Amino acid sequence: QVHLQESGPGLVKPSQTLSLTCAVSGGSVSGGGYSWSWIRQPRGKGLEWIGYVSDSGRSDYNPSLKSRATISIDRSKNEISLKLTSVAAADTAVYFCARGVLVWGQGTLVTVSA
Amino acid sequence: EIVLTQSPGTLALSPGERATLSCRASESVRGMYLAWYQQKAGQAPRVLIYGSTTRATGIPDRFSGSGSGTDFTLTISRLEPEDFAVYYCQQYGSSRAWTFGQGTKVEIK
Repeated sequence: QVHLQESGPGLVKPSQTLSLTCAVSGGSVSGGGYSWSWIRQPRGKGLEWIGYVSDSGRSDYNPSLKSRATISIDRSKNEISLKLTSVAAADTAVYFCARGVLVWGQGTLVTVSA
Repeated sequence: EIVLTQSPGTLALSPGERATLSCRASESVRGMYLAWYQQKAGQAPRVLIYGSTTRATGIPDRFSGSGSGTDFTLTISRLEPEDFAVYYCQQYGSSRAWTFGQGTKVEIK
């Protein structure tokens, strides 16, 4: 059974780059035709889709992030990564990775603060 | 992007009652690529329905999804105590951005 585990620094300073990884176990990031997504949720608010990268290499992002987000697949490490540049307090949220719609990680809290 | 509007924002019901949640899209959702999630406080969302009507593995049959095009519905036939939570719809069929609805909270009356 596929398991996803997000990790990364819990605290990021404003204007810096947030970098998160999603380790995939029990399955491979290659093959299967899956799309790998990142989603975030500010405390007490709803879910916001950040973007996805597909197994074929296609990617797409939430236009509201104005090109700050990059999602990539590291096949050698069997991981998915997220980089979000120029962060601000509004980027404070729990960040989830997901394979398609069926498999989600437990999420990791990122706080943006000086 | 496709905007999903969920209604009502809050639904106050008693255990045993039927819950009907709506998700309306600003344009047609391609291929019925519409999912429903349940989320409880402090937990990751759990997928209930995908492809508009298919129950995910392990989801009780009191949960059902219907709809196509721009109008979708999640029905919980008889509410159990563990069903009181927040529910989100998501469209994942767009070749552009995927999107979530803003959520419907089902609370105990």
